[in-house]
Amino acid sequence: DSGVTQTPKHLITATGQRVTLRCSPRSGDLSVYWYQQSLDQGLQFLIQYYNGEERAKGNILERFSAQQFPDLHSELNLSSLELGDSALYFCASSVVSSGNTIYFGEGSWLTVV
Amino acid sequence: AQKITQTQPGMFVQEKEAVTLDCTYDTSDQSYGLFWYKQPSSGEMIFLIYQGSYDEQNATEGRYSLNFQKARKSANLVISASQLGDSAMYFCAMREGTNSGGYQKVTFGTGTKLQVIP
Repeated sequence: DSGVTQTPKHLITATGQRVTLRCSPRSGDLSVYWYQQSLDQGLQFLIQYYNGEERAKGNILERFSAQQFPDLHSELNLSSLELGDSALYFCASSVVSSGNTIYFGEGSWLTVV
Repeated sequence: AQKITQTQPGMFVQEKEAVTLDCTYDTSDQSYGLFWYKQPSSGEMIFLIYQGSYDEQNATEGRYSLNFQKARKSANLVISASQLGDSAMYFCAMREGTNSGGYQKVTFGTGTKLQVIP
């Protein structure tokens, strides 16, 4: 158990819908990362938050948004869903310091039908 | 240019033998970190080992060791005494960015699928 909690574990939804994925980082970790893993794109970095503020942005679509709340949990919002958004979405957390390790949650499997 | 390159899409290894998974990286940062993760078929991403760019010794964690060659920009994972449970995808990753302001970007390679043969 990495200590990073993601919900829901599995989600099936229709095209055009909106979903929210939730992540609770490990206790004491200020930094949260979101990744998308699909069969054809591999593991893609989406966005990073540190202590409530966005710090790094990767290949995140405009239809997607994220935030980190004062209690440090984070949410990834995916809207106007398309079939191609079907993927495994990972949240990871770390203490931002040299030598830190980044731990992943178990992921949220999203299937868009 | 690819930040992290894993040139072996798939590999086989005999049980109890050692295996090396290759990883090369590209960065202009002086301070960076290199990770290896294991992803079994169940999907979770399991942290294996970490090497900092300033670490002089190669990292080791049980049967895992990281062969860090800074000048060649390589960070190969060595698994000794392979077990059937080692069959999985293995990802190399690199953390870049300064600690100032909490900026960090972590990039992953495309992975190597390792299959351990009895």
